[in-house]
Amino acid sequence: GIQVEQSPPDLILQEGANSTLRCNFSDSVNNLQWFHQNPWGQLINLFYIPSGTKQNGRLSATTVATERYSLLYISSSQTTDSGVYFCAVDHSGGGADGLTFGKGTHLIIQP
Amino acid sequence: EAQVTQNPRYLITVTGKKLTVTCSQNMNHEYMSWYRQDPGLGLRQIYYSMNVEVTDKGDVPEGYKVSRKEKRNFPLILESPSPNQTSLYFCASSPVGLGKTYNEQFFGPGTRLTVL
Repeated sequence: GIQVEQSPPDLILQEGANSTLRCNFSDSVNNLQWFHQNPWGQLINLFYIPSGTKQNGRLSATTVATERYSLLYISSSQTTDSGVYFCAVDHSGGGADGLTFGKGTHLIIQP
Repeated sequence: EAQVTQNPRYLITVTGKKLTVTCSQNMNHEYMSWYRQDPGLGLRQIYYSMNVEVTDKGDVPEGYKVSRKEKRNFPLILESPSPNQTSLYFCASSPVGLGKTYNEQFFGPGTRLTVL
């Protein structure tokens, strides 16, 4: 099946810092999503971005489908940005429809 | 408000006692799915449904059942729960089946299940 690798696995930053999270995937995809899992366990949709660039406030994302990677940018980090960030892609041509998730980047923003 | 809801949000039960976790979406989505999340294993798909009366197995279907009698509901049934089914469960829905043009998935708030 398709492989999804996220880096870095852990990231500790001071409030106000900027960060870049990376997602590499091993095959072509029809869908790529970024999620934030908050400390209460909820998965929050950040971006639906199979290709191109999108921005939402302090967050932006870019997917280069031809090179099989996506980047999530967080600017001016706040403590509420803490949590785990997941990249997920669909099974393009796979046996069962569904999202394949990376292992996530655990982000801690210190005040 | 467009959303996916799950109930219960937290459940502690004992081995062998049948339980159902409900999932409902109010977005008229065709596609619905169940995932479980476990430390070190990440999120894995259990079952999915492309539409009413159409369901199929995901990556980890053993020990689970589902049904899709109505478009908005997709309950997850554990006929005889075991401790290895202790997990965080998520229901998700999407406008159309994956592999099609617009297929963003929206997740419910999660159900924390503990089987003793």
